[in-house]
Amino acid sequence: EVQLVESGGGLVQPGGSLRLSCAASGFTFSTYWMSWVRQAPGKGLEWVANINPDGSEKYYLDSVKGRFTISRDNTKNSLYLQMNSLRIEDTAVYYCAKDGRTWPYWGQGTLVTVSS
Amino acid sequence: EIVMTQSPATLSMSPGERATLSCRASQSVSNNLAWYQQKPGQAPRLLISGASTRANGIPARFSGSGSGTEFTLTISSLQSEDFAVYYCQQYDNWSPFTFGPGTKVVVK
Repeated sequence: EVQLVESGGGLVQPGGSLRLSCAASGFTFSTYWMSWVRQAPGKGLEWVANINPDGSEKYYLDSVKGRFTISRDNTKNSLYLQMNSLRIEDTAVYYCAKDGRTWPYWGQGTLVTVSS
Repeated sequence: EIVMTQSPATLSMSPGERATLSCRASQSVSNNLAWYQQKPGQAPRLLISGASTRANGIPARFSGSGSGTEFTLTISSLQSEDFAVYYCQQYDNWSPFTFGPGTKVVVK
C-alpha cells in the first residue's frame, strides 16, 4: 500500500524558513517522479514543484523559484521541500504526491502558516 | 501559463440525478487533463486522467470526455458520497501544471 506522510509544518514569521519532509513507503520510491502541491485555506489547489527519480531535474512554480528547493534522498525514501524567505501568501496545506504530472497518491498534508 | 476555468462554481443536485461539470483551458491541452475529487479535510482523489481514463478503483458512474480546450466530467447518478469539490488540472504544458478553481456539488 502506498503511503506518504508529511511532516515539518508549523507557524513561521514572514522571511523565515521551514523544511518539509515526506516519508514514502509501499512503492519503489527511487523510480518515480515526486511532487509538492499546496492549498491555501479555503482555496483551490496549486502545484508547487516536482523532481525526477534521480533528482537531476526539478521544476518550480514561478512564485517560489529562488525561494523553495525540492530534493530527495532515495536511500531514505524521502522527499523534501526547503522553503526560505517565506511570505504570508505561502500559507497553505502542503501535500506530497506521487508522480510528476498527475497524482494518484497524496499524503495527508502538513499546514504551513506564515504570520507575524 | 495555461489558465483553467470551471463552471458552474456551485452545482445543486439531488441524489440519483446526473451531474455535468465543465472545464475549459485557455489553450489546447490535447487530452492531458485530469479530474480530482476533494472532500472537506481530505487530500484530493484522482478520478480521471487522459481526459477520459478512470483511475484505479473509481466507479463507472464517473466519466470524462473532451479534448483540446473543452472538457466534461459526468456523474451518471449522484450518490451521497459524491457531494464534494471537483477540480480539473492540465498537464500538457510541463510547467506550471495548473488547476481550475473547482466546482462544488451540493445537495439541493
